[in-house]
Parts: sequence; structure tokens; C-alpha cells
Amino acid sequence: KQEVTQIPAALSVPEGENLVLNCSFTDSAIYNLQWFRQDPGKGLTSLLLIQSSQREQTSGRLNASLDKSSGRSTLYIAASQPGDSATYLCAVRLGSSNTGKLIFGQGTTLQVKP
Amino acid sequence: NAGVMQNPRHLVRRRGQEARLRCSPMKGHSHVYWYRQLPEEGLKFMVYLQKENIIDESGMPKERFSAEFPKEGPSILRIQQVVRGDSAAYFCASSPFLAGESTDTQYFGPGTRLTVL
Repeated sequence: KQEVTQIPAALSVPEGENLVLNCSFTDSAIYNLQWFRQDPGKGLTSLLLIQSSQREQTSGRLNASLDKSSGRSTLYIAASQPGDSATYLCAVRLGSSNTGKLIFGQGTTLQVKP
Repeated sequence: NAGVMQNPRHLVRRRGQEARLRCSPMKGHSHVYWYRQLPEEGLKFMVYLQKENIIDESGMPKERFSAEFPKEGPSILRIQQVVRGDSAAYFCASSPFLAGESTDTQYFGPGTRLTVL
């Protein structure tokens, strides 16, 4: 059974700091991995999607890496800003091709202090 | 292109009543997913539907819960005889995913927050 774990559960940093969020998964047979952002009381916004054949994806100040063999992904946020404060969720799509269901981690709640 | 729409955004029901949650996918998307986020828990997959077909309902509770995605109109998640434990945020996502396609990002709606009194 695929399990997704995110560490740390919460993180508080001063503005401007670079930071890394971690995600691990137990079964390396994934189709892809996706990072989302969730603001309080809101829905999810997709940040980055990494296919199983890829090693990393970048979007602006965000960089996500994937090491499928070790079951790990990291989300790197450069020069953090107060507007980055949110909960970040990691989700994997299982390797089977007939379903697109995502398995989510519990999330890392980030607070960036001005 | 309007995003995924869900209504109502907030729903209050008393124990024993029925709850109907609606989801309109993004234009051109024919794949819909429902997820549930219980308080202090992560999102859990419930069901995956294509037009007029349930593809994967492995995350649906065995009783009281049902889902449909008719040929016309929104997808509906129906909860009969609600109990307090059903209180949660219910999220719908849609995807243009086609079998064999590599781009299958799921786009999430804002969610419906169900409170059972």
C-alpha cells in the first residue's frame, strides 16, 4: 500500500530564507508526483508535476526534484516571501494506468515571517 | 477558461438528512475525481468518474455515499443520512487525461465544506 509522508509538518522561517520541503513515498512504482499549495479554507493549486521519467521541474522560485528509486521528492523554495505562507501538499499517482487517483501526504504548513 | 466549480461552498445539514455536492469540471475535461479532507487529516481519494461511468470507487464508504457524472450536467456526490463524522471538506478535481497521455494534471475546485449538526 502506497504511503506518502511529509516532513516537517510545520515550518516557520524569516522572509528571504531558502527552504526545502520533503516528501517520501513507500512504493517507487509511481506514474508521477505533484506538489500543490493549499491556502486556509481554499482549494488546491497545482505548483509542479514531475513525471516518473523526470528528475526535476522548475517554476519561478520553485524547484521540485524526484528520486524515484529512493522514494523521495523535495520542493525547494528560493528567497521565501510572506505570500508563500500556506500548506504544501505532495501527491503521487500510482503506476497503474487505468486510474488517476492521487495519494496525498499530510502536508507541510509553512509560515514566512516578514 | 473557468476553473473547476463546486457548489455549494458551505453546506450545513442535520443528522439523518441528505447532502448533495455538485462539481462542474473545467471545459473540455471529461474526468472527475472526488476527495475528502477530514479535520486534521490529509486528502483521501474517494471516487474517479468519466462521463456516465464510475471507473474507481475504491475510496468510497460502502454505505450512504454515491457519485455520478451524467452525460449532461455536473458530477454529484450524494451522502444519505449524514452523520457527524461526515463533516469534512469535499474537493472535486478534473483532468483532461486521456489514456496514454503524459499530461494529466488534476485541477481542483474550491471545495464544499460540509458541517453536520
